[in-house]
Amino acid sequence: DTAVSQTPKYLVTQMGNDKSIKCEQNLGHDTMYWYKQDSKKFLKIMFSYNNKELIINETVPNRFSPKSPDKAHLNLHINSLELGDSAVYFCASSQGTITNEKLFFGSGTQLSVL
Amino acid sequence: AQSVAQPEDQVNVAEGNPLTVKCTYSVSGNPYLFWYVQYPNRGLQFLLKYITGDNLVKGSYGFEAEFNKSQTSFHLKKPSALVSDSALYFCAVRDRKGSSGSARQLTFGSGTQLTVLP
Repeated sequence: DTAVSQTPKYLVTQMGNDKSIKCEQNLGHDTMYWYKQDSKKFLKIMFSYNNKELIINETVPNRFSPKSPDKAHLNLHINSLELGDSAVYFCASSQGTITNEKLFFGSGTQLSVL
Repeated sequence: AQSVAQPEDQVNVAEGNPLTVKCTYSVSGNPYLFWYVQYPNRGLQFLLKYITGDNLVKGSYGFEAEFNKSQTSFHLKKPSALVSDSALYFCAVRDRKGSSGSARQLTFGSGTQLTVLP
């Protein structure tokens, strides 16, 4: 069974469209994250939720809106897509928010904005 | 603010030879340090972490890393490289004093592409 699964794996869309990426974890973890990996492979955190509550919100445009219906799910909705949004988006989870815990990552969603 | 530097974008090593992937860090307090590996078209996988205690940490797939506080380094090592070790390796740090917001986040280095040649 996949621990952290995200869909779709690939997403190709036009500028200006609205799209969503879904993420689910079956590890029973309390904390979930969204990371963005750019074309140079640099990873940057976007959001973190703990038990459905937002705890980290980095300087991300408000076109990006995370939603956590329950602690096993953290979806990412993006409005008015721009060319610069093209990247690989990774969902991750951890047991809690203790700083020494390891993260479990999904396999990523390759977003291409044309 | 915390940061991580991986000075080498690319490391090439022959199969069977020892490998080292370098990492240095900067935190205001004491660090928690991690290594993750990313295979093509996959998410990151945890390799090992340093929390406290012995400076030499052993992890998955025969990898180990040595914490050096005076040099603020946490280099990843393996005595004998395999072709299957070829992947992208990320070092990451968290400040132990991080109590809220961005201080809780895991800061990643820019990654080092390891290629093991047969």
